Amino acid sequence: GDSVTQMEGPVTLSEEAFLTINCTYTATGYPSLFWYVQYPGEGLQLLLKATKADDKGSNKGFEATYRKETTSFHLEKGSVQVSDSAVYFCALSDRSGTSYGKLTFGQGTILTVHP
Amino acid sequence: SAVISQKPSRDICQRGTSLTIQCQVDSQVTMMFWYRQQPGQSLTLIATANQGSEATYESGFVIDKFPISRPNLTFSTLTVSNMSPEDSSIYLCSVEGQGTYEQYFGPGTRLTVT
Repeated sequence: GDSVTQMEGPVTLSEEAFLTINCTYTATGYPSLFWYVQYPGEGLQLLLKATKADDKGSNKGFEATYRKETTSFHLEKGSVQVSDSAVYFCALSDRSGTSYGKLTFGQGTILTVHP
Repeated sequence: SAVISQKPSRDICQRGTSLTIQCQVDSQVTMMFWYRQQPGQSLTLIATANQGSEATYESGFVIDKFPISRPNLTFSTLTVSNMSPEDSSIYLCSVEGQGTYEQYFGPGTRLTVT
C-alpha cells in the first residue's frame, strides 16, 4: 500500500536558519504530494502541493519539488522565523482505484524555532 | 478553498456512551472524509463518505463502531459508538476542492473518553 516517511523529529533551529524536512513516499499509482502544517492549537492547513513530476510547490517562503526518480518531496525554507514553529506533515493522494482521494500522511515533524 | 465547521469542538465522554460529530461545509462537495488523529500521532483515514451511497471504510475501521451519515452535499456526521479510552483522539472531517486535488480540513473535534 501507499506510505509516507518523514525525517525523525523534533527539529530545533535558530531564527533565520535554513530548514529541510525530508519526505519520501511509496505509491502504486502516480500520486499528488502535499505538505500540511498544524500550528499550536489550530487545525490542519494546506501549505503547498505538487501534482506531477518536477513540479515545485511553494507558499510562505516554503518550497518542495516532486522528485519521481527519488520518490521524494523534501520541504525547504531559506530563513525560518519563530512563527514557523509547528508540526509539518507530508502527505500523498493516490488517485487510483479504491484509494481515490484518500490522503496518506507521514508521521509529522515538530519544528521549533528559537529567537 | 472551502470553509468547514465541526461540532462539538471538544467533549469529555464516559466509556460505553456514543458521540455524534457534525461536519458542515459552505459549498456542495462530492467527497467528504473522516480522519482520526490519536495523541501525538499522525492522521489516519477512517472512511470516505459520498452523498447517496454508503461510506467506504478503511482497514481497521467498521461501520458498527463508526457509523457515518451523508444526507446531502454539505453535511456529514460521524458517530463514535460504545466508546473506550482508546477512542480519545481528535476527529477531523475534510473535503476535496472541486478539481483541485486539494483537501481542506475542519478544525477538529477533541474527544476524551474517561
